Amino acid sequence: GAGVSQSPSNKVTEKGKDVELRCDPISGHTALYWYRQSLGQGLEFLIYFQGNSAPDKSGLPSDRFSAERTGGSVSTLTIQRTQQEDSAVYLCASSRRQGRGKANEKLFFGSGTQLSVL
Amino acid sequence: GESVGLHLPTLSVQEGDNSIINCAYSNSASDYFIWYKQESGKGPQFIIDIRSNMDKRQGQRVTVLLNKTVKHLSLQIAATQPGDSAVYFCAENFNNAGNMLTFGGGTRLMVKP
Repeated sequence: GAGVSQSPSNKVTEKGKDVELRCDPISGHTALYWYRQSLGQGLEFLIYFQGNSAPDKSGLPSDRFSAERTGGSVSTLTIQRTQQEDSAVYLCASSRRQGRGKANEKLFFGSGTQLSVL
Repeated sequence: GESVGLHLPTLSVQEGDNSIINCAYSNSASDYFIWYKQESGKGPQFIIDIRSNMDKRQGQRVTVLLNKTVKHLSLQIAATQPGDSAVYFCAENFNNAGNMLTFGGGTRLMVKP
């Protein structure tokens, strides 16, 4: 596709339920990132995938959060037993590559999924 | 821990004037900085970046200035237009950690016609 696609655009769920958020990165981009944006705040890094390497999960706030990336393309962020503090916009971004000592690649963001936990 | 930026202040400017958006960063090891623009309901959009070996970089109508002595970053927008109205975020990266960026809280720019 032309850009990073995320679905759903909005998700309302009840406290305690599990949710899955989907991200389709730009075709050919090997690096994929999930960020979280709380109301009026900056972006908080969650998790990063690069090709077939093990993901960097250092930003995940708790073990209720997990993500996978199948076939090096589509990614799913799963939040189990959602809490009200999980309410935020979840943003996915992709770039052509990421590597130490190399020029930083521009991140292209999707429009995000607005998650509301009631 | 490290922090970048301010907590969503608002800058209101007249159309046609120049805008300056400021950002403070705290990690002196940061070596790459980016400005993003985020319009309502959309994801952040890359505007301009700068590496720590530079102190100024210019793009189309935008200039980024980096002052490593005081750990300050600024975005200058020339001849501000209504379409520039958005929230602007600065972000930093250190230790060549690729695109695992630390974002500031953002500044809302409002352009008055």
